[in-house]
Amino acid sequence: DAMVIQNPRYQVTQFGKPVTLSCSQTLNHNVMYWYQQKSSQAPKLLFHYYDKDFNNEADTPDNFQSRRPNTSFCFLDIRSPGLGDAAMYLCATSRGASGDTQYFGPGTRLTVL
Amino acid sequence: QKEVEQDPGPLSVPEGAIVSLNCTYSNSAFQYFMWYRQYSRKGPELLMYTYSSGNKEDGRFTAQVDKSSKYISLFIRDSQPSDSATYLCARPQGGKLIFGQGTELSVKP
Repeated sequence: DAMVIQNPRYQVTQFGKPVTLSCSQTLNHNVMYWYQQKSSQAPKLLFHYYDKDFNNEADTPDNFQSRRPNTSFCFLDIRSPGLGDAAMYLCATSRGASGDTQYFGPGTRLTVL
Repeated sequence: QKEVEQDPGPLSVPEGAIVSLNCTYSNSAFQYFMWYRQYSRKGPELLMYTYSSGNKEDGRFTAQVDKSSKYISLFIRDSQPSDSATYLCARPQGGKLIFGQGTELSVKP
């Protein structure tokens, strides 16, 4: 089945230790998104790629970076995780960017010790 | 004022009840809305979308938009324990989705 896959599902890291989260998709969608979702809060968009074009949200901290080496894969790099970065990180894809349905992966729950 | 607002709940109902989940929005230009369902420790999944005013029905679920009052509603008939989840309303904006906070629903057997 076509889907959005995130690895790992659970990630534990130490304060300040870089971490990379992975997302892959078999939907061949043009757009890939990264959201941060904290407990009982709405998902918050960090950035998205339309093909190779990177779009950063204005309030996304510099600590968060992303790479999309090809259509299928997208990575979220957190350079120096702080305690406040503990959250669920959701990857999503859509065919286009104008109101198209977004398909979400299961998320990676990040714990920062 | 947030662009899309939801009562976070939690909302607890007995099995078989009719559930009403609501969002309000601030900009009357908004015309296209979505409802996502998110089970615990899972990513959101699209449940329904609705455009402009009126109702859209899909099985036990009905989505309704009232443009005059800037109100979005999701009704669940004959609610089941498997409907227990967080329900997020959302609207697209400039290539991204603006989500409400989500309402946590618990359906008790």
